[in-house]
Amino acid sequence: DAKTTQPTSMDCAEGRAANLPCNHSTISGNEYVYWYRQIHSQGPQYIIHGLKNNETNEMASLIITEDRKSSTLILPHATLRDTAVYYCIVRVRTGANNLFFGTGTRLTVIP
Amino acid sequence: DAGVTQSPTHLIKTRGQQVTLRCSPISGHKSVSWYQQVLGQGPQFIFQYYEKEERGRGNFPDRFSARQFPNYSSELNVNALLLGDSALYLCASSLGPVSSYEQYFGPGTRLTVT
Repeated sequence: DAKTTQPTSMDCAEGRAANLPCNHSTISGNEYVYWYRQIHSQGPQYIIHGLKNNETNEMASLIITEDRKSSTLILPHATLRDTAVYYCIVRVRTGANNLFFGTGTRLTVIP
Repeated sequence: DAGVTQSPTHLIKTRGQQVTLRCSPISGHKSVSWYQQVLGQGPQFIFQYYEKEERGRGNFPDRFSARQFPNYSSELNVNALLLGDSALYLCASSLGPVSSYEQYFGPGTRLTVT
């Protein structure tokens, strides 16, 4: 699985959009970008994934650059409950079902 | 429907002892994976089981072992505990063994080794 680089921490004002970047410059053509988050003292939670097109679900939007070397997870209206560590993971969808987490980005939503 | 459940929630053990952690997957899920999360780091993959067979193993010593039962629940065993084994142990379940199936995590068991 390709390596990802994320900022260690970010702050966001409550009600504003939170934009979390991820660099994955060595991503392969068959690798997807996944995002998980981990709220304090809980297990990780799947958010969204994509290959090359932008994706949106009820939780977030995922914007992947045209060269696929980076992506941004967008939480459109951050709430205090979005305070968590966010992990960007790059993986194929045909391989073993084991996730390789980095250290992620600690997002703090400020009232 | 109940999510992934793990027991116990917290556990304190002494160096050299053995510990068994338990996981019940979401109903219908046949694959269970175990992860170790040391404070300040992301979860690290330990094992994956599917249909009672080991399908993957991370870079952990032989002191770590696991098994899956006919009802798809799973146990993680750690022998000869070291202080460095203190961590949050997470269990995740999925419908199948390959990465196209989403994983759903339990709340974890926090193990403290003194």
